[in-house]
Amino acid sequence: KAGVTQTPRYLIKTRGQQVTLSCSPISGHRSVSWYQQTPGQGLQFLFEYFSETQRNKGNFPGRFSGRQFSNSRSEMNVSTLELGDSALYLCASSLARDYEQYFGPGTRLTVT
Amino acid sequence: GESVGLHLPTLSVQEGDNSIINCAYSNSASDYFIWYKQESGKGPQFIIDIRSNMDKRQGQRVTVLLNKTVKHLSLQIAATQPGDSAVYFCAESRNTGNQFYFGTGTSLTVIP
Repeated sequence: KAGVTQTPRYLIKTRGQQVTLSCSPISGHRSVSWYQQTPGQGLQFLFEYFSETQRNKGNFPGRFSGRQFSNSRSEMNVSTLELGDSALYLCASSLARDYEQYFGPGTRLTVT
Repeated sequence: GESVGLHLPTLSVQEGDNSIINCAYSNSASDYFIWYKQESGKGPQFIIDIRSNMDKRQGQRVTVLLNKTVKHLSLQIAATQPGDSAVYFCAESRNTGNQFYFGTGTSLTVIP
């Protein structure tokens, strides 16, 4: 069974631009969560989607948004990029609530 | 301003020895826990999980112990191998779905 895939793997953007990251969960998994990982803050929860609905949201500004499609694929969008948004963005998928959660390789975003 | 990196606890063990990695959590509502291994440049890899109705769970070469009284979790790795060198994270879920809170991580180095 294929694992969680994320595209693109690397991205360089300029301050003020916006970016869209994509995540394809493991087949059959309906829950997709997004995390931001930085050296300063560690792994922080962004949001979780289940059956196209946002079920949980972390403490991030409204510039961070996401959505999930009917095939469970998910995208996250960051608008008006700031230098501090440079991070590894990780997507994780799970069958359901409180089940094993598997991560993708991440998208490394650099904002200049 | 300049961000300061998280100071990761470190653990160095000789190849073949057993490793014990500890994690403290603060919320008594936490009811599901996962240990992850993260190698440089990769996403976190699921190792083992445990629910709050258990105090011990074993996998292949790994054991997780949960002490709810003192809110402490540990990961034991038997016969540690060089390939076990990585950063290990504990993650907790607080009955809020798949919103996990991650510890700062422990960097394990296996000395051949």
